[in-house]
Amino acid sequence: QSALTQPASVSGSPGQSITISCTGTSSDVGSYDLVSWYQQYPGKAPKLMIYEGSKRPSGVSNHFSGSKSGNTASLTISGLQAEDEADYYCCSYAGSSTYVFGTGTKVTVL
Amino acid sequence: QVQLQESGPGLVKPSGTLSLTCAVSDDSIISSHWWSWVRQPPGKGLEWIGEIYHSGSTNYNPSLKSRVTILVDKSKNQFSLKLISVTAADTAVYYCARDHLHGSSFGLWGRGTLVTVSS
Repeated sequence: QSALTQPASVSGSPGQSITISCTGTSSDVGSYDLVSWYQQYPGKAPKLMIYEGSKRPSGVSNHFSGSKSGNTASLTISGLQAEDEADYYCCSYAGSSTYVFGTGTKVTVL
Repeated sequence: QVQLQESGPGLVKPSGTLSLTCAVSDDSIISSHWWSWVRQPPGKGLEWIGEIYHSGSTNYNPSLKSRVTILVDKSKNQFSLKLISVTAADTAVYYCARDHLHGSSFGLWGRGTLVTVSS
């Protein structure tokens, strides 16, 4: 069970759209529509932003969206804002009642 | 408002046992949720450790399974983590979490507690 692969960093200017990829295998991301995404500020606990691939919890801005193609899930942040600067982690159900997180991506707002 | 609060020693000696508790407030540990532990080494990513249901049923990360035990204490509305034979690699912020809408994501998190393994 290896960590899902995410780019180490992604950056964009305010108002732009950015996409963070999360690449797994046919045993995790590719087999289940159970990818979730978390936002984490330094020194804080993660916050759920997307669950079951593309669903947003109550209170999460609709400028966050999720999708999946094959073994790769993606988080898109549209209309990038200064407060979106944070670390983002994906997580997938990996079968046999286990979960695997991604390596994490630092988003920088230029 | 439901809250989770981790507690336990902040320093553990190598080869010793790491023990943490997660107290659940404003929700019942016997509600239909799975309760998890997740850790994050300093400056690194998140790692799922394992989960427990109020029935006592557990699931563990295969890479940690031989060293981990998660238990539930219904009388105290809390659950716990025990990790044996710790090394410096187990130094991390440990979070407890609750599943979101009884599904496969983590919707509620504690604030986390740093555990350092050092002599």
